[in-house]
Amino acid sequence: NAGVTQTPKFRILKIGQSMTLQCTQDMNHNYMYWYRQDPGMGLKLIYYSVGAGITDKGEVPNGYNVSRSTTEDFPLRLELAAPSQTSVYFCASSLRTESHNEQFFGPGTRLTVL
Amino acid sequence: QQQVKQSPQSLIVQKGGISIINCAYENTAFDYFPWYQQFPGKGPALLIAIRPDVSEKKEGRFTISFNKSAKQFSLHIMDSQPGDSATYFCAASLGGYNKLIFGAGTRLAVHP
Repeated sequence: NAGVTQTPKFRILKIGQSMTLQCTQDMNHNYMYWYRQDPGMGLKLIYYSVGAGITDKGEVPNGYNVSRSTTEDFPLRLELAAPSQTSVYFCASSLRTESHNEQFFGPGTRLTVL
Repeated sequence: QQQVKQSPQSLIVQKGGISIINCAYENTAFDYFPWYQQFPGKGPALLIAIRPDVSEKKEGRFTISFNKSAKQFSLHIMDSQPGDSATYFCAASLGGYNKLIFGAGTRLAVHP
């Protein structure tokens, strides 16, 4: 199993450009998440999904969109990139059970908006 | 009320020493408290987790101490090793869907 994979690893965008961050998991996990990590701020939840076709906002959703058409894929879309979106983005997944379960994180995408 | 406050921001420990990282929370409805470890350039990985009905959980050199009345929990790393040098995040989860609220992180350096 590859686990959670993310592409690209690095990207530089100009203000106003758009891009999609890709996330794929091969563990057949129901739940998937997008976080951003800023220095000294921990990780903040952007969006999450509990299954194909079901998504919901997290703590910091403004400026982002997501979709979940399959169990495996959970892309994150930035429509009009702004310098405030410079961050490291992590995708994660976990299994749906009666109790809380481990979240498995991808290696991250480092995004710079200039 | 959804915050998790973590301290210290950074910590330097000598090899063989004990590393202690503290977290505090406000929302008494939180029901799951994991600790994640992150190495540079990598994603976080689950280290150890505890539920509020238990006061302590130990896995190898890593121990979580949980104080429900004080709304605090801490990570203790015994016999700290240079390979433990990483950033540690505490987190808390509320209800379903496994959504996590993370602390700001502690950068641990273990010197040989």
